[in-house]
Amino acid sequence: QSVLTQPPSVSGAPGQRVTISCTGSSSNIGAGYDVHWYQQLPGTAPKLLIYGDINRPSGVPDRFSASKSGTSASLAITGLQAEDEADYYCQSYDNSLSVIFGGGTKLTVL
Amino acid sequence: QLQLQESGPGLVKPSETLSLTCTVSGGSISSTRYYWGWIRQPPGKGLEWIGSMYDSGSTYYNPSLKSRVTISVDTSKNHFSLKLNSVTAADTAVYYCARAPSTYSSSRYGLPFDYWGQGTLVTVSS
Repeated sequence: QSVLTQPPSVSGAPGQRVTISCTGSSSNIGAGYDVHWYQQLPGTAPKLLIYGDINRPSGVPDRFSASKSGTSASLAITGLQAEDEADYYCQSYDNSLSVIFGGGTKLTVL
Repeated sequence: QLQLQESGPGLVKPSETLSLTCTVSGGSISSTRYYWGWIRQPPGKGLEWIGSMYDSGSTYYNPSLKSRVTISVDTSKNHFSLKLNSVTAADTAVYYCARAPSTYSSSRYGLPFDYWGQGTLVTVSS
């Protein structure tokens, strides 16, 4: 069981907006540690989507955005496209001295 | 363009030591601007951080694996390595090496990974 909790799956139709939550605790997200987000297409390595809570690396479309509040963070994808179908992971750091990942969320584009 | 490539045996026997190397091309592993890490993913499951290295040899590890893990670096070959001893079937996973920019987070230990290798599947079986 992951220290960061994500919904196992979310879905949306093309063009719609979906959000993926990442819930932690006072020893990780709530302690102020940054949250990062990754997209993993089938059979490939994860790709960094968001770093430092809200920042997009060069080349990541602005359809991807993120926020953080309290002990939770959220990734939003607007204008959903078929190519967005993938697994999404959040990452943070915990006072137990460990980098931690969420369990992952499978996004299905209907 | 930075590239990372994992290499090592794809099959390891139970109780033995898993050894992998990550060769970095297109950039220097000695740069103080970056940390370097290992992450694994069991088949069909999520990501697990194994450990990271910085400053050409300083390391920190996942507490749950710390007793079995060693990460080391060979700056002359521009690569870093992972050793995981006393492996069991639970260590079967795709192993990734990755780079973490030191400026991408307010916490030096909670850095994101911006470049990843393609991953290599290691199976633990007799």
